[in-house]
Amino acid sequence: QSALTQPASVSGSPGQSITVSCAGTSSNIGGYNYVSWYQQFPGKAPKLIIYDVTKRPSGVSNRFSGSKSGNTASLTISGLQAEDEADYYCSSYADDSTWVFGGGTKLTVL
Amino acid sequence: QVQLQESGPGLVKSSETLFLTCNVSGGSISSGSYYWNWIRQPAGKGLEWIGRVYSSGSANYNPSLKSRVTILVDTSKDQFSLILGSMTAADTAVYYCARSPYPGWFDPWGQGTLVTVSS
Repeated sequence: QSALTQPASVSGSPGQSITVSCAGTSSNIGGYNYVSWYQQFPGKAPKLIIYDVTKRPSGVSNRFSGSKSGNTASLTISGLQAEDEADYYCSSYADDSTWVFGGGTKLTVL
Repeated sequence: QVQLQESGPGLVKSSETLFLTCNVSGGSISSGSYYWNWIRQPAGKGLEWIGRVYSSGSANYNPSLKSRVTILVDTSKDQFSLILGSMTAADTAVYYCARSPYPGWFDPWGQGTLVTVSS
């Protein structure tokens, strides 16, 4: 049981936008502005795509964006492309200097 | 550009202790305000943060694993290590090392190493 709750799967057609939610508590997402998102392809290590809730690392497409409201963070992918099909994980800094992850969301591009 | 590489046994017997090492290249483990983390992922499942260590040796651990985990740093070798005791089948996973700024995010990651616990 992961500390953060994500939908197991989402899907969308090329060109559409999708949003992945990540629900936590006041002890993690709601208490800190340190939410990050990771993209993972099968057999590969996760890759950072969003940090500090809304920031994108250099080289990450601006089709990826992040936001937070209360205890829930969200990742939005606009202009969906086939290459976006992957697993997505949220993470948040938490109380007692710890980190928590979501269970992951599988994105299918139809 | 900093790179991380995990190393260690791929197979551990139940009840034994796992020793993994993460080698940091392209930069010093002591430079900058970074933490050095261990994260694992059972097959087909999500990510789990195990713990982190600072170059001073100060460490923080996942409460669910704290009784069995120790993370050490060796600044002279630019390495940090994971020691996980009393291994069971539930500890079978790909183990990743990753860097994080304070309080930060995880980047970069090592390629991961599969550890299987056998009975």
